[in-house]
Amino acid sequence: DAGVTQSPTHLIKTRGQHVTLRCSPISGHKSVSWYQQVLGQGPQFIFQYYEKEERGRGNFPDRFSARQFPNYSSELNVNALLLGDSALYLCASSLQGARNQPQHFGDGTRLSIL
Amino acid sequence: GESVGLHLPTLSVQEGDNSIINCAYSNSASDYFIWYKQESGKGPQFIIDIRSNMDKRQGQRVTVLLNKTVKHLSLQIAATQPGDSAVYFCAEENQFYFGTGTSLTVIP
Repeated sequence: DAGVTQSPTHLIKTRGQHVTLRCSPISGHKSVSWYQQVLGQGPQFIFQYYEKEERGRGNFPDRFSARQFPNYSSELNVNALLLGDSALYLCASSLQGARNQPQHFGDGTRLSIL
Repeated sequence: GESVGLHLPTLSVQEGDNSIINCAYSNSASDYFIWYKQESGKGPQFIIDIRSNMDKRQGQRVTVLLNKTVKHLSLQIAATQPGDSAVYFCAEENQFYFGTGTSLTVIP
């Protein structure tokens, strides 16, 4: 079975641009969470979606937005990119939400801002 | 070896020794805890979880201990192998917070 897939794997952008990152969850999983991981730190929670509705939001500015589609795939959008947005963006899926169950992570999208 | 994740983020052990990685949590009402392993260049991978009605749970070469009195969680890895070298994160029920993790290095 395919795991969580994220695209693209690497991306280079310049300040002020916007970016869209994509995530396909494991088949049958209805929940997707997004995390930002800066080098040397743990994943920081950005969003969680379950059944296409936002179930949680971390402490990130409004430049960050996300959505989940009817097939449970998800997109993370970041506008007006800043140098500090350079990070590994991780997507995780689970059957019914991240509460009280393991999540399955993709290998992330490495975003570099120049 | 033993490490408290947030204060001693690195741990080095000899191959074959046992490893203990510690984690403190903040919410006394949490009823689920989970450990992940993240290898270089990869996303976190689920290792083991435990619910608050248990004090101990064993997996293959790994054991998680939960002490609710002092809000402390530990991950024990038996007979540590080079493939265990990674960063280990603990998280509570909602998995909104992972902390800085503990970097485990296994010395051959």
